[in-house]
Amino acid sequence: NAGVTQTPKFRVLKTGQSMTLLCAQDMNHEYMYWYRQDPGMGLRLIHYSVGEGTTAKGEVPDGYNVSRLKKQNFLLGLESAAPSQTSVYFCASRTTGGWGYTFGSGTRLTVV
Amino acid sequence: DQQVKQNSPSLSVQEGRISILNCDYTNSMFDYFLWYKKYPAEGPTFLISISSIKDKNEDGRFTVFLNKSAKHLSLHIVPSQPGDSAVYFCAANQGPSGRFGAGTRLTVKP
Repeated sequence: NAGVTQTPKFRVLKTGQSMTLLCAQDMNHEYMYWYRQDPGMGLRLIHYSVGEGTTAKGEVPDGYNVSRLKKQNFLLGLESAAPSQTSVYFCASRTTGGWGYTFGSGTRLTVV
Repeated sequence: DQQVKQNSPSLSVQEGRISILNCDYTNSMFDYFLWYKKYPAEGPTFLISISSIKDKNEDGRFTVFLNKSAKHLSLHIVPSQPGDSAVYFCAANQGPSGRFGAGTRLTVKP
């Protein structure tokens, strides 16, 4: 039982490049989330999903897009990466009746 | 708009003493509050939670207190152990959405 798996774990992008971060969970959770962690800012919510085919904006959605085509997967896309998107990205999931998140181990992204 | 605030970026305590981590929030619609612990290069892990209808929840060495009138919650760790050294995040849920504080780095000295 892997929980929440994020790929890749590390990535370096050049400004203007695009990429997709993949999050997969095997716990049959309805809710999935993408957070970014920056020094002094804590974890900020980018986008989230309350079920397959749904997405919603969080606190800092600009510059990111997401898709939830399958219940177990939540994709985070950067269409044109900027240095301000250098961060550690965490995916999380939880059940509808629960309150605690299960987090992945993170993706460290550097945009140069 | 920072709805959940942890105003102390760091805290250092002696082993065996009490650690008290604080968190303030502004949104009265939050219905669940949680504390997470994070080690370097790992994702946050759930520690303890409290519903908005309660004022205290205890789990072993960890106790969370909620003061709704002051919009304040705190995490008490007694006794503190060196293995408790980590970054602690408080979080608040409103329905499916959640907000996290900036974190407090706790160092427990032997």
